[in-house]
Amino acid sequence: GQSLEQPSEVTAVEGAIVQINCTYQTSGFYGLSWYQQHDGGAPTFLSYNGLDGLEETGRFSSFLSRSDSYGYLLLQELQMKDSASYFCAVLNYGQNFVFGPGTRLSVLP
Amino acid sequence: DGGITQSPKYLFRKEGQNVTLSCEQNLNHDAMYWYRQDPGQGLRLIYYSQIVNDFQKGDIAEGYSVSREKKESFPLTVTSAQKNPTAFYLCATALAGDNEQFFGPGTRLTVL
Repeated sequence: GQSLEQPSEVTAVEGAIVQINCTYQTSGFYGLSWYQQHDGGAPTFLSYNGLDGLEETGRFSSFLSRSDSYGYLLLQELQMKDSASYFCAVLNYGQNFVFGPGTRLSVLP
Repeated sequence: DGGITQSPKYLFRKEGQNVTLSCEQNLNHDAMYWYRQDPGQGLRLIYYSQIVNDFQKGDIAEGYSVSREKKESFPLTVTSAQKNPTAFYLCATALAGDNEQFFGPGTRLTVL
């Protein structure tokens, strides 16, 4: 089977940098994605890592290491609007997605 | 406007009744997915379809059924066999082989 683990909660202050980790166990997958979900809303796509290394998109960066079965999402210059839940997900060879349990980020003033 | 429509946003049903949740898309995406989300939890895959007239079970398909008669539509029926149907249901689409999913606004189902 496939499983992903994330910390349940992370708290940081405005302007800070925060890293949300994702470890996984999977037999095979194309890549690791990250989604953001505000309370009551739908998830929105943030980034994707098909290859090992760092991908940067504005204030958000994502990293993947297949040898360590590990990835992370890095959020810089935190803003209040970044308070949300963040999910990692793998795209497996069956062309479907398996999601992690999510990390709730609280940004304090 | 291109996008994914799920209706209604809130749905109430009595225990023992079947209910069908609508998902329509005009993004011309081949793949469509149904997820269930319980409070404070991640997304669990119910069913997915890569092509018209074909679909596969996800991790929690028991008590649910789907159809894919048109590319644009992927309705989900929550049957009376589903023991705990109260949840937030999300429909998603993707281009074939693509890594990005697009989500609809969701339907919050409450069974009384």
